[in-house]
Amino acid sequence: QVTLRESGPALVKPTQTLTLTCTFSGFSLSSYGMCVTWIRQPPGKALEWLALIDWDDDKYYSTSLKTRLTISKDTSKNQVVLTMTNMDPVDTATYYCARHKVEMATIVNYYYYMDVWGKGTTVTVSS
Amino acid sequence: SSELTQDPAVSVALGQTVRITCQGDSLRSYYASWYQQKPGQAPVLVIYAENNRPSGIPDRFSGSRSGNTVSLTITGAQAEDEADYYCNSRDSSGDRVFGGGTKLTVL
Repeated sequence: QVTLRESGPALVKPTQTLTLTCTFSGFSLSSYGMCVTWIRQPPGKALEWLALIDWDDDKYYSTSLKTRLTISKDTSKNQVVLTMTNMDPVDTATYYCARHKVEMATIVNYYYYMDVWGKGTTVTVSS
Repeated sequence: SSELTQDPAVSVALGQTVRITCQGDSLRSYYASWYQQKPGQAPVLVIYAENNRPSGIPDRFSGSRSGNTVSLTITGAQAEDEADYYCNSRDSSGDRVFGGGTKLTVL
């Protein structure tokens, strides 16, 4: 059974750095096609993709947030860590991690999808 | 990053068929997936690889693609299908972009 759980501070002050940990089980992040991704959702708003790390340790970041984000993994601990610098009240959101799979569709194209999500952790940015 | 556009809200009568659409240039090149989110819950994958359902997702959910538009169709909508629905696809820069979401009301 695949599970993911987000952990981190519920409250951070403006300008501080947020560190979130995704602890997962039921799959190996070293296996081909396996990735872990972070998504957030401000209250009452849409989902926003943040970052992804894959089985080969390649990292992808949201174009609009890439200067503030760092994603890393500890395969031995089954954990993925996301840091976001210079937090602002507009960053108040529920932060989710999810398993992201990459599967070959054709020689030149792949399927990408997030098949298992954590329950999310709420982060409030306020002084 | 590129954008995916969804209608903000759609309604359907109980038992009828509804189509939720998602439009974007990246959809010409990359496959999309669809997620259902009910209030206070994490999103759930309902369609991937254009028209595949994860185990546990009812077969009334289906997906399709035409040009730069992908669609999620619910055939015989049930009260429990009332939720927000999001499409997602990667773009040429590697971003995994979400649409703005569609709120489905089952009347």
